[in-house]
Amino acid sequence: SQQGEEDPQALSIQEGENATMNCSYKTSINNLQWYRQNSGRGLVHLILIRSNEREKHSGRLRVTLDTSKKSSSLLITASRAADTASYFCATDRMNYGGATNKLIFGTGTLLAVQP
Amino acid sequence: DTEVTQTPKHLVMGMTNKKSLKCEQHMGHRAMYWYKQKAKKPPELMFVYSYEKLSINESVPSRFSPECPNSSLLNLHLHALQPEDSALYLCASSHANYGYTFGSGTRLTVV
Repeated sequence: SQQGEEDPQALSIQEGENATMNCSYKTSINNLQWYRQNSGRGLVHLILIRSNEREKHSGRLRVTLDTSKKSSSLLITASRAADTASYFCATDRMNYGGATNKLIFGTGTLLAVQP
Repeated sequence: DTEVTQTPKHLVMGMTNKKSLKCEQHMGHRAMYWYKQKAKKPPELMFVYSYEKLSINESVPSRFSPECPNSSLLNLHLHALQPEDSALYLCASSHANYGYTFGSGTRLTVV
């Protein structure tokens, strides 16, 4: 079952521009993570933000989390053609009485960066 | 070693075949996962193993049978699959409250 929705579904920008992707989710979480996937291969972990954090930076990435609105955003600054990929948010939460974490993915945003 | 290794990378199997997908990690992660991903869709959780015990089965059909022989290995046994089971199968491992590490996947085609 999908936890979240991402917006937009697809985004096309020019190299050097900023790209913003939004994610909404439904239940309480331990943390929220963002992943990149190139051409239907494995997912690469980009950044993790815990439920008690509001903002986090990693290189050209900036993630925000608003637990009251159950939403997150990923900003990629100064985009490059190599950033072209699918981006997924994923929520991590305890399941089944706290025995195991469960990572559930949002619907994804397909980002195309034109050179 | 910071990788999750999946084999094979590609697999074509008939509906009467029995095959297995393999996943290996040496990061000491005690949770391992199988996900299924159809084209242009997000990954969907299938199974979770925690400390080598099956912890979550997301109502997956019995033609998919997971196995965790030890803390480093995770298998997915396939039997009598349908063409609609064709997908990218992803294995992942994690340490509590940290990011997950995914393998590059096995692209399965059922003919």
